[in-house]
Amino acid sequence: EAQVTQNPRYLITVTGKKLTVTCSQNMNHEYMSWYRQDPGLGLRQIYYSMNVEVTDKGDVPEGYKVSRKEKRNFPLILESPSPNQTSLYFCASSRGLGNEQFFGPGTRLTVL
Amino acid sequence: DAKTTQPPSMDCAEGRAANLPCNHSTISGNEYVYWYRQIHSQGPQYIIHGLKNNETNEMASLIITEDRKSSTLILPHATLRDTAVYYCIVRVTDDKIIFGKGTRLHILP
Repeated sequence: EAQVTQNPRYLITVTGKKLTVTCSQNMNHEYMSWYRQDPGLGLRQIYYSMNVEVTDKGDVPEGYKVSRKEKRNFPLILESPSPNQTSLYFCASSRGLGNEQFFGPGTRLTVL
Repeated sequence: DAKTTQPPSMDCAEGRAANLPCNHSTISGNEYVYWYRQIHSQGPQYIIHGLKNNETNEMASLIITEDRKSSTLILPHATLRDTAVYYCIVRVTDDKIIFGKGTRLHILP
């Protein structure tokens, strides 16, 4: 089954404790992206990747890192999480920038 | 900034057609119009996209005006399961994809 998976689905952590949210897709997609969703603000793009080893900042990249060492994986790294990074996070992938995006189920992160 | 304007919310009676408008007056000639929806807090789901011509698939129809400054997503026979936030996206700046705040569609029994 074609899908985008994210882990963990739920996470409660404390300020400053490094964490990684994994994202994996099995569709051989080139374009991958991370979004955060907050009440009243809609979906905002954090980082995106056009292909392996090619990543770039979205609209709200501060406090996040990503890597794209393999085509299928695009982890989101929070080196020192802060409470303002409490949010619902979505990973997405598509064949290319203009193609249909497939979204993962979301990761609900709480930073205390 | 998102280059689309959508009403924040709409109601539609179950079984009727739901018509969701989107204004995109600054759309460029080569920019497509995409529609996604998000049910509760699930990941957004692609619905349809188009450039100039009207499009139809198993989920919906997309009507784009001749000047391409606005479009309408039509759900022909709305059901309760169509209750969701619907996003119209036209801006792809550089390599980014920008969502707006969408329209919250309530299907009324």
